[in-house]
Amino acid sequence: NAGVMQNPRHLVRRRGQEARLRCSPMKGHSHVYWYRQLPEEGLKFMVYLQKENIIDESGMPKERFSAEFPKEGPSILRIQQVVRGDSAAYFCASSPLGHGGEQFFGPGTRLTVL
Amino acid sequence: QQQVKQSPQSLIVQKGGISIINCAYENTAFDYFPWYQQFPGKGPALLIAIRPDVSEKKEGRFTISFNKSAKQFSLHIMDSQPGDSATYFCAAFNNAGNMLTFGGGTRLMVKP
Repeated sequence: NAGVMQNPRHLVRRRGQEARLRCSPMKGHSHVYWYRQLPEEGLKFMVYLQKENIIDESGMPKERFSAEFPKEGPSILRIQQVVRGDSAAYFCASSPLGHGGEQFFGPGTRLTVL
Repeated sequence: QQQVKQSPQSLIVQKGGISIINCAYENTAFDYFPWYQQFPGKGPALLIAIRPDVSEKKEGRFTISFNKSAKQFSLHIMDSQPGDSATYFCAAFNNAGNMLTFGGGTRLMVKP
């Protein structure tokens, strides 16, 4: 029973490039959440998705950031025109239907912007 | 009102001792309180969780104490071991909010 999978684990981008982070939820989980963690800080909510729907994107910056969870395939967090301040660990979590608080996290993608 | 405050920021405990981490919240709509353990370079792992209708939950060496009137909850790690050295995060969830709100984390070091 595989857990939440994220790839890549590490991603290096130069300023102005695009970053694409992928997340496959646990089997049987229909809810996906993305969080960002800055060094030495707690996790901050970005966006909550179900298949083909963005439910809550209140924590996501209005510009350059977007997320999707298509009918087939993994959830994607996309950051356009990255800046140094985007350097962080990005974690995806999934939960089963009806148990939104029971979130299981992936290993994260560590984004470094040069 | 969505904030969760966690203390201490760091904690050093001798092997065999009790580690205690505290959290406080303001939003009375929170209805689920998990604790996560995170090792360097890894994702947070769900450790133990509690709902506000009980005052205590124990799983092995880990116990959550919950005080609904004070809006506080704490994690106790009994017989702390060097392998418990990690960062611990408390969190809170309410169905209307769709998200976990995390405390700032406590870096625990258990000395052999």
